[in-house]
Amino acid sequence: AQKVTQAQTEISVVEKEDVTLDCVYETRDTTYYLFWYKQPPSGELVFLIRRNSFDEQNEISGRYSWNFQKSTSSFNFTITASQVVDSAVYFCALSEANNNAGNMLTFGGGTRLMVKP
Amino acid sequence: KAGVTQTPRYLIKTRGQQVTLSCSPISGHRSVSWYQQTPGQGLQFLFEYFSETQRNKGNFPGRFSGRQFSNSRSEMNVSTLELGDSALYLCASSLELAGPGEDTQYFGPGTRLTVL
Repeated sequence: AQKVTQAQTEISVVEKEDVTLDCVYETRDTTYYLFWYKQPPSGELVFLIRRNSFDEQNEISGRYSWNFQKSTSSFNFTITASQVVDSAVYFCALSEANNNAGNMLTFGGGTRLMVKP
Repeated sequence: KAGVTQTPRYLIKTRGQQVTLSCSPISGHRSVSWYQQTPGQGLQFLFEYFSETQRNKGNFPGRFSGRQFSNSRSEMNVSTLELGDSALYLCASSLELAGPGEDTQYFGPGTRLTVL
């Protein structure tokens, strides 16, 4: 069965610091997708990135970057020069591309990021 | 394009009652999934519907049910409410251009259910 672990429950940084959110996953499927979502206090889950299991290229989008390493089953997320608006709960999620399973996301427990001014 | 919408946004019920939550997916999206979020259990998958058929179901009792209509709108129903059903219920939709499990799920704002 699939599993996602976010060991960091809560992280507190001061504005402009860099911060990395860790995500480790388990799956037996060879084809799978990894996601990061952001949940601000309003509650809605906001999609940030999707990565498939065959693409290990790191990705950068503005202040955000993602490091996918199949060898360690990790998909870490780094925010550079953090801002107060980055304060939220961040979730890592896994989806297996198994035709019998339909669409199902398995989420990690989330990491609450607090960025102080 | 409008995002996923959920109604109502807030709901207060008492134990033993039943409740129906509604979800309208992004236009053109055919898959709708439901998740329950609680402080203790985190985000858990309830079920998923595609083309009016339940394609996958999470580990929840039979009191939780759902359906999807021909326009892809979905409803979920919880009967005989218990205190532990208090949660944020999130609906997500995906386009499914490729195959199941491959597309991004986009989430609505959620319905916060409080059971007294």
